[in-house]
Amino acid sequence: DSGVTQTPKHLITATGQRVTLRCSPRSGDLSVYWYQQSLDQGLQFLIQYYNGEERAKGNILERFSAQQFPDLHSELNLSSLELGDSALYFCASSVVGPGSDTEAFFGQGTRLTVV
Amino acid sequence: GESVGLHLPTLSVQEGDNSIINCAYSNSASDYFIWYKQESGKGPQFIIDIRSNMDKRQGQRVTVLLNKTVKHLSLQIAATQPGDSAVYFCAENNYGQNFVFGPGTRLSVLP
Repeated sequence: DSGVTQTPKHLITATGQRVTLRCSPRSGDLSVYWYQQSLDQGLQFLIQYYNGEERAKGNILERFSAQQFPDLHSELNLSSLELGDSALYFCASSVVGPGSDTEAFFGQGTRLTVV
Repeated sequence: GESVGLHLPTLSVQEGDNSIINCAYSNSASDYFIWYKQESGKGPQFIIDIRSNMDKRQGQRVTVLLNKTVKHLSLQIAATQPGDSAVYFCAENNYGQNFVFGPGTRLSVLP
């Protein structure tokens, strides 16, 4: 158990809909990362938050948005869903801050299926 | 943009043999590297890391080698076991920025 909790584990929804994925980082971790993994693909970085502020942005679609709350949990919002958005969405957390580095711990992911 | 990539998308080894998984990175400013293991249906799991001021780091049955001259990273697994079958990703990081992952190598351990 990595200590990172993601909910829900599975989500099935229709095209055009909007969903929210939730992530609770490990206790003490200030950074949260979101990644998308399509079938048999690598991990595509979406966005990173550090202590409530957006830190880095990857290939995140405009239909997607995220935020990190004062209690450090994070939510990833996916709207106007398309079939191609079906994927595993991973959240990771680390203590990393500016000028430091440490490993990121991953949650078990949310499997999103858009039908 | 800069990215991390892998030479071998799949690797099959006999149980008990040593495995070597390679990774090339292009961002010379990256100063921290991690190998992750991902089993089917699970999130990536940290295996071992190495900082850019090191050439080699050893863990339990795993060794990571870093060659900054040619921007190459490798993961060596000794006495490969069936439980090592998974997809292995290398990832790079630059001063606490986001982790950039390679496409992954699938390791298959043959009985």
